[in-house]
Amino acid sequence: GAVVSQHPSWVICKSGTSVKIECRSLDFQATTMFWYRQFPKQSLMLMATSNEGSKATYEQGVEKDKFLINHASLTLSTLTVTSAHPEDSSFYICSARDLSSGSYEQYFGPGTRLTVT
Amino acid sequence: AQSVAQPEDQVNVAEGNPLTVKCTYSVSGNPYLFWYVQYPNRGLQFLLKYITGDNLVKGSYGFEAEFNKSQTSFHLKKPSALVSDSALYFCAVRGDYGGSQGNLIFGKGTKLSVKP
Repeated sequence: GAVVSQHPSWVICKSGTSVKIECRSLDFQATTMFWYRQFPKQSLMLMATSNEGSKATYEQGVEKDKFLINHASLTLSTLTVTSAHPEDSSFYICSARDLSSGSYEQYFGPGTRLTVT
Repeated sequence: AQSVAQPEDQVNVAEGNPLTVKCTYSVSGNPYLFWYVQYPNRGLQFLLKYITGDNLVKGSYGFEAEFNKSQTSFHLKKPSALVSDSALYFCAVRGDYGGSQGNLIFGKGTKLSVKP
């Protein structure tokens, strides 16, 4: 089946630094990838939709200058948390659509746990 | 706007008993409905989906869900629960209306606890 990987799986950084999270579709091409954020014991909240070769579409309330998204190829999207603060600590999950399957399914990565100290 | 509701924060079931995790939805057109499971500190795993066709959908790990248009529900079921089924379950509807590009809108999640 379709596999999506994320790297790193967890990261600890100091306040004020930037962190990059990679999302890769390993065995399919994904023109669209989605970035979600999940707080403890809460649901997934869509942050942005990433399209290959174009600017990401951000959900209301998500700072695009803080959460930089780059979808440089059909298999890779990156989320960079800039000038991270403790309130950015969260579980970040990406997903990708396999357009060739025509099944509307999204395949999720394993998530990245970000802790900002 | 489309939305998904999971009315139960937690469902407790004894191993071997049937389980039901409830989900209701609100969409303006035909719903595309999904169930995902999440184990601690892991991403989401796809269980099953309803796009069209039979109202009873069978999915992974023995789970099934019944689409009920009149009740706008898509409850997840399993005839005999296993301890290993204990996890967080999310119902989702595809938001392909307007310009949302097909993202998923998730319910808040239901924690399933299966006791031996």
